[in-house]
Amino acid sequence: RKEVEQDPGPFNVPEGATVAFNCTYSNSASQSFFWYRQDCRKEPKLLMSVYSSGNEDGRFTAQLNRASQYISLLIRDSKLSDSATYLCVVNSYTNAGKSTFGDGTTLTVKP
Amino acid sequence: DVKVTQSSRYLVKRTGEKVFLECVQDMDHENMFWYRQDPGLGLRLIYFSYDVKMKEKGDIPEGYSVSREKKERFSLILESASTNQTSMYLCASSSLRSSSGTPDTQYFGPGTRLTVL
Repeated sequence: RKEVEQDPGPFNVPEGATVAFNCTYSNSASQSFFWYRQDCRKEPKLLMSVYSSGNEDGRFTAQLNRASQYISLLIRDSKLSDSATYLCVVNSYTNAGKSTFGDGTTLTVKP
Repeated sequence: DVKVTQSSRYLVKRTGEKVFLECVQDMDHENMFWYRQDPGLGLRLIYFSYDVKMKEKGDIPEGYSVSREKKERFSLILESASTNQTSMYLCASSSLRSSSGTPDTQYFGPGTRLTVL
C-alpha cells in the first residue's frame, strides 16, 4: 500500500462545477500537508497548505482529518484554467525533511 | 520569491555518456532533492541532501550519484546514461523547518527533460 493515495481520476467536469479530491495517508506521524498543482509538462507548484482547522483561498478549500488520516481539496465554480493534476503532499519528521507525494488527480474542466 | 533553476530544459545524450544536471536555489535552503517523473509512476525521489557534502539515497538511487559542494547547488550525475533514464528530472529545495516548526514545503525547478538515445 502506498503511503499517500489519491484517486487518479480523471475528473471531467463542466465549467462552474464544484469538484472535490481526497487523499489518504498512512503515516500517523505526518506533520504537515500540502496540495500542489502541476500543469502539463511543467513543475509542481504549491497551491496551498492544509491546516487542522481547514483553510480557504478564494474558490479553493482544503481540509485535514487527522483521525481518519485524509485531506481534501474542494474547488468551487471551476474554471477552464483549473485543468491540471493536483498532488497531495505529506511531510513528517520521521522522513527527515522528505516529502511523500501522491501520484496526483487529473482534473479537466470543459466549457 | 523562491527561485530554483536547472541548467537545461531539454537534453539529448547518447547511451554510455556521463551526464551532469545542475540545480541552483537562491533561498539559502538546507534541503535539496532530485526526482524523476515518468507517466503513471508519479514523482520518485532519487537522492536528497540536507547539508553541504551530505547526501542520502532516495527510493531509486541506482545509476545516479550526486554532489553538493555548496549550499545553493546540487548536482545529479548519471555515470553512464542508459535509455531507461530517459525522463523528466526535477530538482527541489526546502528549508529544514517552516516557521511553525514543521517540515517545510518544497519548491521545484522547471525540470530537465532528458532523452537518452
